[in-house]
Amino acid sequence: NAGVTQTPKFRILKIGQSMTLQCAQDMNHNYMYWYRQDPGMGLKLIYYSVGAGITDKGEVPNGYNVSRSTTEDFPLRLELAAPSQTSVYFCASSYANEQFFGPGTRLTVL
Amino acid sequence: KNEVEQSPQNLTAQEGEFITINCSYSVGISALHWLQQHPGGGIVSLFMLSSGKKKHGRLIATINIQEKHSSLHITASHPRDSAVYICAPRNPYNTDKLIFGTGTRLQVFP
Repeated sequence: NAGVTQTPKFRILKIGQSMTLQCAQDMNHNYMYWYRQDPGMGLKLIYYSVGAGITDKGEVPNGYNVSRSTTEDFPLRLELAAPSQTSVYFCASSYANEQFFGPGTRLTVL
Repeated sequence: KNEVEQSPQNLTAQEGEFITINCSYSVGISALHWLQQHPGGGIVSLFMLSSGKKKHGRLIATINIQEKHSSLHITASHPRDSAVYICAPRNPYNTDKLIFGTGTRLQVFP
């Protein structure tokens, strides 16, 4: 199993650009999450999903959108990038109370 | 006041020392996770516990739900244990979600 995969690993965006961060898992987990990690801060939940077709907002959803059309994929969309969205983004899935994290995407908005 | 407090924030140790990292939280919870974030950024789940103690190799985690406190111990520390250790209680209002501490940065020197 590849586990949780994320692409890209790094990205630099200009203010106002849009992009999609990809996340996929091959473990057939229903629960998936998007977090952001800012320097010196704990992980913050952006959006999560409890299964295909079901998504819900976390603590910091503004400026982001998600979709969950399949169990495997959970992409995160940034529509109008802002410098405040500079962060490291982690996707995770969970099963039986264990969390599995992707390697992260480091995003810089200039 | 943060809902999750970890201490110390930074910790240095000599190889072989016994390490203790503490986590206190302000809300009643049913379970708590300990995560390890490697220097390269990857995050792995170490433990999920809801009572008592769990042991995995040189790592021991304990929790006292009533006192709202958990500890992570590392016996015979090694330089490869150098990482950030994150405490993450389950959100009592929505157990699908975790609340993350800011982490304890551990450096173990040979």
